[in-house]
Amino acid sequence: QSALTQPASVSGSPGQSITISCTGTSSDVGGHDYVSWYQQHPDKAPKLMIYDVVNRPSGVSNRFSGSKSGNTASLTISGLQAEDEAVYYCSSYSSSSTFWVFGGGTRLAVL
Amino acid sequence: QVQLQESGPGLVKPSQTLSLTCTVSGGSITSGRYYWSWIRQPAGKGLEWVGRIYLSGSTHYNPSLKSRVTMSVDTSKNQFSLWLTSVTAADTAVYYCARDGTDLLTELAFHIWGQGTLVTVSS
Repeated sequence: QSALTQPASVSGSPGQSITISCTGTSSDVGGHDYVSWYQQHPDKAPKLMIYDVVNRPSGVSNRFSGSKSGNTASLTISGLQAEDEAVYYCSSYSSSSTFWVFGGGTRLAVL
Repeated sequence: QVQLQESGPGLVKPSQTLSLTCTVSGGSITSGRYYWSWIRQPAGKGLEWVGRIYLSGSTHYNPSLKSRVTMSVDTSKNQFSLWLTSVTAADTAVYYCARDGTDLLTELAFHIWGQGTLVTVSS
């Protein structure tokens, strides 16, 4: 059982927007602005898409955006493209002895 | 640009010790005051943070693995390593090394990842 809760799957059509939620506690998501999101294609290493809740690394499309409210963070992907089909993981720095916690992952299907 | 590469045995027998090394290329492991982490992923499952190490050798481990994990860093070789003792089938996973944030609590995310290496625990 993962420390952060994500929906198992979401889907959308090309061009649409989707949002993936990530719910934690006041010890992690709610207590820090150190939430990050990773995209993982099959048999590939995860790729950082969002860090510090809202920041995009260089080279990541501005179709990806992040936000946070209370203990829940969200990743929004606008203008869905076929290449966005992947599993997305959220992660948060934690005040607990675990330091880093992950969500269970959300599989995005672009229909 | 900095790249990471994991190496080590792909097959470990139950009750033995898993040993992996991550080699940093394209930059020095000592620049930037970063922590360096290990993360694992069982087949078809999610990501689990194993632990991290700083240049000084200071470590933080996942409490669920703490009794079996040791990490070290060799700045002369630009490498850091992971040892996991008393392994069982539950430790079978792809193991990734990654660059963590700094000791100043900046860049707190896993910005750079290795390609991952599959370790199977089986007799």
